[in-house]
Amino acid sequence: GEDVEQSLFLSVREGDSSVINCTYTDSSSTYLYWYKQEPGAGLQLLTYIFSNMDMKQDQRLTVLLNKKDKHLSLRIADTQTGDSAIYFCAESLNDYKLSFGAGTTVTVRA
Amino acid sequence: DSGVTQTPKHLITATGQRVTLRCSPRSGDLSVYWYQQSLDQGLQFLIQYYNGEERAKGNILERFSAQQFPDLHSELNLSSLELGDSALYFCASSVASGRTEQYFGPGTRLTVT
Repeated sequence: GEDVEQSLFLSVREGDSSVINCTYTDSSSTYLYWYKQEPGAGLQLLTYIFSNMDMKQDQRLTVLLNKKDKHLSLRIADTQTGDSAIYFCAESLNDYKLSFGAGTTVTVRA
Repeated sequence: DSGVTQTPKHLITATGQRVTLRCSPRSGDLSVYWYQQSLDQGLQFLIQYYNGEERAKGNILERFSAQQFPDLHSELNLSSLELGDSALYFCASSVASGRTEQYFGPGTRLTVT
């Protein structure tokens, strides 16, 4: 089945690290993605990880994948006000469609 | 800027009407995907085209249809519109069908009154 779950809200202080968590249920997912959506804007592909990897780092972003627990996380180091947005976790199924979580609204406070 | 363009940005129409949403994929991308984002259902996959042919269907209503033209742009047609069709409609594109780094356009906000 396909069911991606995320916590709905995260509040973080500017300069701290943010960790956004996601669980998925389909063990056949090949790619897992993180997208960012700012108010009134489309979805921006932040990063993705292939299912045979455990970790991927890209500048301030670190993705961790625990296949056994079907758990994916996104860590944003040194969180800035511009990081305030909704973050979506998504899994690819059958090489074509993306199945999205409900999104985590991240609020960065000064 | 993802390189995917969508028009119009906003659309307001009445129930029972028909509208067409347009998408131009990134240069070089052959696959186009349509998604619907609504408050109650979140982001839902509607349909995918690859190089002019339909590849996959998701939760797309029979009142909705799409096509991809030889120049690879795509159109999503929504007919007999209902209030519940009000949503953001996103188009995404990728290089090929099997490689799923999908890049999203800015979306079309449809309001049905």
